[in-house]
Amino acid sequence: KAGVTQTPRYLIKTRGQQVTLSCSPISGHRSVSWYQQTPGQGLQFLFEYFSETQRNKGNFPGRFSGRQFSNSRSEMNVSTLELGDSALYLCATSLFQNSNEQFFGPGTRLTVL
Amino acid sequence: DQQVKQNSPSLSVQEGRISILNCDYTNSMFDYFLWYKKYPAEGPTFLISISSIKDKNEDGRFTVFLNKSAKHLSLHIVPSQPGDSAVYFCAAATGNQFYFGTGTSLTVIP
Repeated sequence: KAGVTQTPRYLIKTRGQQVTLSCSPISGHRSVSWYQQTPGQGLQFLFEYFSETQRNKGNFPGRFSGRQFSNSRSEMNVSTLELGDSALYLCATSLFQNSNEQFFGPGTRLTVL
Repeated sequence: DQQVKQNSPSLSVQEGRISILNCDYTNSMFDYFLWYKKYPAEGPTFLISISSIKDKNEDGRFTVFLNKSAKHLSLHIVPSQPGDSAVYFCAAATGNQFYFGTGTSLTVIP
């Protein structure tokens, strides 16, 4: 069974630009959560989608948004990029909402110059 | 504000010995705790978990201990193997919100 895939794996952008990251869950998984990982803050929760609806949101500014499609694939968008947005963005998927077992993708490494 | 803390960024252990990774949390509402293992260039993988109603959970070489009064969680790996070298994240959950520590890099020396 294929794992969680994230594209692209690496991305370099400049301040002020916007970026869209993609996450394809394991087949059958309907919940997709997004996390930001930075060395100082660890893994921080961004938001969770289930059945194309955002179910929960972490403490991030409105520049961070997402959506989920009918096939459970999810995209995350960051607008007006700032240097501090440089991080590893991970998505994690699970069969159900509120599942405590999540399967993580390899992440997208975003560098903002 | 970091609700889950891993105060040791790194740990080195001899092969065959015990590795003990520690994690502290501040929110008494957390009801589920997890450990993830992460290799370079890969996403974290789920390792072991424990519910707040238990104080110990064991899975092969991995045991997680929970001390609710101290708000402290630890992961024991016995015996440690070189393949265990990775970054370990602890996480705490309440509802569908997860909070992660910053990770501890474990190196098992052959």
